[in-house]
Amino acid sequence: NAGVTQTPKFQVLKTGQSMTLQCAQDMNHNSMYWYRQDPGMGLRLIYYSASEGTTDKGEVPNGYNVSRLNKREFSLRLESAAPSQTSVYFCASSEVQGSSPLHFGNGTRLTVT
Amino acid sequence: DQQVKQNSPSLSVQEGRISILNCDYTNSMFDYFLWYKKYPAEGPTFLISISSIKDKNEDGRFTVFLNKSAKHLSLHIVPSQPGDSAVYFCAAGSYGTASKLTFGTGTRLQVTL
Repeated sequence: NAGVTQTPKFQVLKTGQSMTLQCAQDMNHNSMYWYRQDPGMGLRLIYYSASEGTTDKGEVPNGYNVSRLNKREFSLRLESAAPSQTSVYFCASSEVQGSSPLHFGNGTRLTVT
Repeated sequence: DQQVKQNSPSLSVQEGRISILNCDYTNSMFDYFLWYKKYPAEGPTFLISISSIKDKNEDGRFTVFLNKSAKHLSLHIVPSQPGDSAVYFCAAGSYGTASKLTFGTGTRLQVTL
């Protein structure tokens, strides 16, 4: 039982390059989320998807796009990476938004030079 | 504006003693509170939660206390074990609505032998 799987684990990009972070969950959860973690800032919500077919902005959405491909998969795209997007990115899922705990993946460490 | 604050970045406790981690919040709309534990290179894992209709919730060695009038919650770990050494995040949100969790910045707990 894998839970929440994120790929890749590590990535280095040059400024202006694009990439997509992949996330898949096998718990049949309805809601999925993307967070970023920066030193001294805790975890901040980038985008979330309350259910398949819907996506909404979180606290720090600028510079990112998301796709809820199906119930299992939720991807995060950086169209033109900037050094300020250097961070650790966590995908999470929950059975129901707002009333059940989040289950997190192990993160993607992204460095933008 | 930090709506969820963990004012102690780190805490060191001897094995067998009680660990007390604190968290303050400012948003009176929060009625659902959670604690997550994070080991290095892993995602946060859910530990324990409490809703605002309670002032205490217990799960084995872990107890969360909620003081709504003070907008303060705390996590007690008794007895502390070396395997409890990790970063602990508190999070708050509104139960069952379309809102999102807000995380604190974390407290690093070290349990010494």
